[in-house]
Amino acid sequence: EPEVTQTPSHQVTQMGQEVILRCVPISNHLYFYWYRQILGQKVEFLVSFYNNEISEKSEIFDDQFSVERPDGSNFTLKIRSTKLEDSAMYFCASRAGTPYEQYFGPGTRLTVT
Amino acid sequence: KNEVEQSPQNLTAQEGEFITINCSYSVGISALHWLQQHPGGGIVSLFMLSSGKKKHGRLIATINIQEKHSSLHITASHPRDSAVYICAVRSKGAQKLVFGQGTRLTINP
Repeated sequence: EPEVTQTPSHQVTQMGQEVILRCVPISNHLYFYWYRQILGQKVEFLVSFYNNEISEKSEIFDDQFSVERPDGSNFTLKIRSTKLEDSAMYFCASRAGTPYEQYFGPGTRLTVT
Repeated sequence: KNEVEQSPQNLTAQEGEFITINCSYSVGISALHWLQQHPGGGIVSLFMLSSGKKKHGRLIATINIQEKHSSLHITASHPRDSAVYICAVRSKGAQKLVFGQGTRLTINP
């Protein structure tokens, strides 16, 4: 069964460094998402991406964040200058046009020290 | 803004018990999702509902659109059902999912 994959599974970085989190969505999917979950808190929406542009973003998704689909298969989330409060589990998700069910990747645990 | 509330926050039961987890939301939605999150953190989609009822194995999900309420039931619960169960909704016209805080379910043998 096709699945969403994410790399790395765990990333440790120092405050102020740039990180890139990578996702490979399911191949025929059209809509892509990033979510994050700070330890002990709810999962929060960051951004959705369709047709090579951002279709919706949350207030969390400020200028420090960017997304890209560089080669038609990967979907990346870049954090330009990480802060301690960026430490969280980051989930990528994708879906086909219809049905609207989103399929989640296993997550990348980002630890900022 | 759509708020999603789940109850209970924590639930401990004995193997074989019938389990119910509830979810309420505040505004009109296009769809409601029930998700399962295991201790390792990965999220698995269990159901997507826009009306009525769905069943998959021992899991049953129902939704009442008028009352803005959904329930997830587990029949003949088993220790392997121990996980966090999360309700998430997609508002009409929106792309994003809004998540509840999750219900931590522990099934003891």
